[in-house]
Amino acid sequence: SSELTQDPAVSVALGQTVRITCQGDSLRSYYASWYQQKPGQAPVLVIYSKTNRPSGIPDRFSGSSSGNTASLTITGAQAEDEAEYFCGSRDSSGSGSQLVFGGGTKLTVL
Amino acid sequence: QVQLVQSGAEVKKPGASVKVSCKASGYTFTTYDINWVRQAPGQGLEWVGWMNPNSGNTDFEQKFQGKITMTRNTSISTAYMELNNLRSEDTAVYYCARGLGSSSWAAVDNWGQGTLVTVSS
Repeated sequence: SSELTQDPAVSVALGQTVRITCQGDSLRSYYASWYQQKPGQAPVLVIYSKTNRPSGIPDRFSGSSSGNTASLTITGAQAEDEAEYFCGSRDSSGSGSQLVFGGGTKLTVL
Repeated sequence: QVQLVQSGAEVKKPGASVKVSCKASGYTFTTYDINWVRQAPGQGLEWVGWMNPNSGNTDFEQKFQGKITMTRNTSISTAYMELNNLRSEDTAVYYCARGLGSSSWAAVDNWGQGTLVTVSS
């Protein structure tokens, strides 16, 4: 399977903007999705198909991509956004029917 | 509302098997794939495989070929994942999650609460 690479940790001051990135060959062929996971909880989908937010996800979360890099941007980070964030996409190394996840980025809100 | 409710935590000895269930409600079970994702303690998410509940077709990450069986009972909207020949490295929380997607993207939206499988002698 192919890989998606994320920075292990990022920090942001309360109310500021932060970008979390995800790199991988699969992202040249497929759109990314993004998941938020808080300790002891199941992940929550926050962005799918590059830019779409599920209902209930605040509009401060947005997605974008360019080439082999997808980004999750939080505009005006809140204390409750402190969590680990994982990217995911279809895996381009096979038929595309399989999924792959990044290693995760731990976001600290200062 | 969409819900996926998984069976409870399991403790197994090396070499044993475990079967985790995932009961879906709030939507038509056969119209969305069920994915299984695992997370070892302190680690990231690892995609395990998916099953089409309508056809029963499955696909797995290659490392799980021969180790995992995915089945379903459509009459009770429940998916199952069975892991055999357990090793300590299989200790993880196993999640089921509903799949979404098209040819250009895929995601999992609703997740079960997770089932901790501990493999220990």
